[in-house]
Amino acid sequence: GAVVSQHPSRVICKSGTSVKIECRSLDFQATTMFWYRQFPKQSLMLMATSNEGSKATYEQGVEKDKFLINHASLTLSTLTVTSAHPEDSSFYICSAYKRRTSTDTQYFGPGTRLTVL
Amino acid sequence: GDSVTQMEGPVTLSEEAFLTINCTYTATGYPSLFWYVQYPGEGLQLLLKATKADDKGSNKGFEATYRKETTSFHLEKGSVQVSDSAVYFCALSPRDNYGQNFVFGPGTRLSVLP
Repeated sequence: GAVVSQHPSRVICKSGTSVKIECRSLDFQATTMFWYRQFPKQSLMLMATSNEGSKATYEQGVEKDKFLINHASLTLSTLTVTSAHPEDSSFYICSAYKRRTSTDTQYFGPGTRLTVL
Repeated sequence: GDSVTQMEGPVTLSEEAFLTINCTYTATGYPSLFWYVQYPGEGLQLLLKATKADDKGSNKGFEATYRKETTSFHLEKGSVQVSDSAVYFCALSPRDNYGQNFVFGPGTRLSVLP
């Protein structure tokens, strides 16, 4: 099966710093990657859709300048939380879209837990 | 827009009990349907899926049947184990373009007691 990794799995930072989260498709090329945010005991909320080589598409209410997304290659997308604040503390999950011969599907990474002090 | 509704949790069962978690959806066209499971502190894992009406997805003793007439995709398991304790998410994805995002239900937390 397809594997998607995220790094780091857990990060703690001080308020005001920036944090970069990587999402990699390890054994397939992903033309599209998605970034989700999950608050405690809640469902996943889509933040943005990232297409390789083009600008990300952000969902309504998500600040583009705060959550910078770069999809530099077919196997890597990064999410940078700039000037992080405690309210940005959350579980961030990426997924990668793989087109297959019979069915298309998305594969999810294991998530990154961000804690901003 | 598309949406997914799940039964509210938490659901608490004794080991070997029968499990049903209801899921209904609203969507244009004919979406594919999924159940994902999230264990404590981990990301989402695909549990099972169905891509067309009357399809039954199954995995690890869990089953769900795509019911177009009732727009439902209820998750069932005949005998739950303590290790099944997790949060279960029902989700849909537009058939015509998997490049679009998933729509997730709110999740149902299951606790299985020994």
